Amino acid sequence: DQQVKQNSPSLSVQEGRISILNCDYTNSMFDYFLWYKKYPAEGPTFLISISSIKDKNEDGRFTVFLNKSAKHLSLHIVPSQPGDSAVYFCAAIDGGSQGNLIFGKGTKLSVKP
Amino acid sequence: GAGVSQSPSNKVTEKGKDVELRCDPISGHTALYWYRQSLGQGLEFLIYFQGNSAPDKSGLPSDRFSAERTGGSVSTLTIQRTQQEDSAVYLCASSLKTGEVTQHFGDGTRLSIL
Repeated sequence: DQQVKQNSPSLSVQEGRISILNCDYTNSMFDYFLWYKKYPAEGPTFLISISSIKDKNEDGRFTVFLNKSAKHLSLHIVPSQPGDSAVYFCAAIDGGSQGNLIFGKGTKLSVKP
Repeated sequence: GAGVSQSPSNKVTEKGKDVELRCDPISGHTALYWYRQSLGQGLEFLIYFQGNSAPDKSGLPSDRFSAERTGGSVSTLTIQRTQQEDSAVYLCASSLKTGEVTQHFGDGTRLSIL
């Protein structure tokens, strides 16, 4: 059973507009959430994270929102750029565990010029 | 280099053969993780090492999979008697210590079983 779900396999956005990537989770023990970005033939690279004690974290064009009651988080990219085109993975971790990340299946973002 | 290094980048082998995949973590990182990504799937945790502690093997899919980490640095993931369902990208990550949330990934080994 998937503990981290990304229900949209793909998303297409026009350059300059906002990209919103969504992620849902089921395990209430998760206390830290991360977004990774992955280009083809490369490993995932860390993008942004959020602790469960916060509801928002912002880093430049990237903002992650966490709604604990809904067990939902989202990544906002604004303005979107063609170089943002990649697969985005949502990941979660249970701080009481030994540290392995639980990943969603990813959302492929395409930003069109 | 400064990042996690994995080799080979690609491996094609026949069903039934054994394969070894190598991971060289970032210098000074004590925690090392192996994940795999099958086609259309997310990353699946396999095994992790923390310093000299016994590894957490809870994610290994079968006893054909094993891993070692020598000297607390380089790790080797071995798959014996490979099957077609083992075809995937095998990713290694390291972090400063277990529980350090940011894990740094290598570019992976793409394994294809014919």
